[in-house]
Amino acid sequence: GENVEQHPSTLSVQEGDSAVIKCTYSDSASNYFPWYKQELGKRPQLIIDIRSNVGEKKDQRIAVTLNKTAKHFSLHITETQPEDSAVYFCSDNDMRFGAGTRLTVKP
Amino acid sequence: NAGVTQTPKFQVLKTGQSMTLQCAQDMNHEYMSWYRQDPGMGLRLIHYSVGAGITDQGEVPNGYNVSRSTTEDFPLRLLSAAPSQTSVYFCASSGLSGVGPLHFGNGTRLTVT
Repeated sequence: GENVEQHPSTLSVQEGDSAVIKCTYSDSASNYFPWYKQELGKRPQLIIDIRSNVGEKKDQRIAVTLNKTAKHFSLHITETQPEDSAVYFCSDNDMRFGAGTRLTVKP
Repeated sequence: NAGVTQTPKFQVLKTGQSMTLQCAQDMNHEYMSWYRQDPGMGLRLIHYSVGAGITDQGEVPNGYNVSRSTTEDFPLRLLSAAPSQTSVYFCASSGLSGVGPLHFGNGTRLTVT
């Protein structure tokens, strides 16, 4: 069946560095690609999303890029801060989710 | 607006018992869905609904039933609980499937012994 793969599963960076998380998807019909952040014991919350007619979207320190030909999209966080530490999930059409990336930002 | 409200927050069941997880939203969203979250596996879609009277299966529907009699409510029923259903369950809603972000409830932690 269709799926979403997410890498890496864990990522540790120094405060101020950049972090990149990558996802690939298999459903060619997918047209909506959100990213969710989940802090420990909390619910997932949307941080940024992109639709298939756009190649890149940016919101302050967070950006997402989409390559529909290659079926992959990436989350970029610049100038990381300790409060960015959380688990991040990618999704296609909110139907399938990646397994998550645990990001740790060390002060 | 309360957003998406899930009850209960915690539940312990014995194998074979039945129960209903409640989910309600006050945003007039047409799309509602249920996910289970297990360690290392992300979120997996159980069932979803694109409007009152319409439901469909997701990735892992076995052992679960849903109904959508109103726009606001989308309960998830476990007819005969099994230990494999121990998980954290999230209900979510959005304006329309596939074109909008999900708003999640706070989750229900279910343990089946």
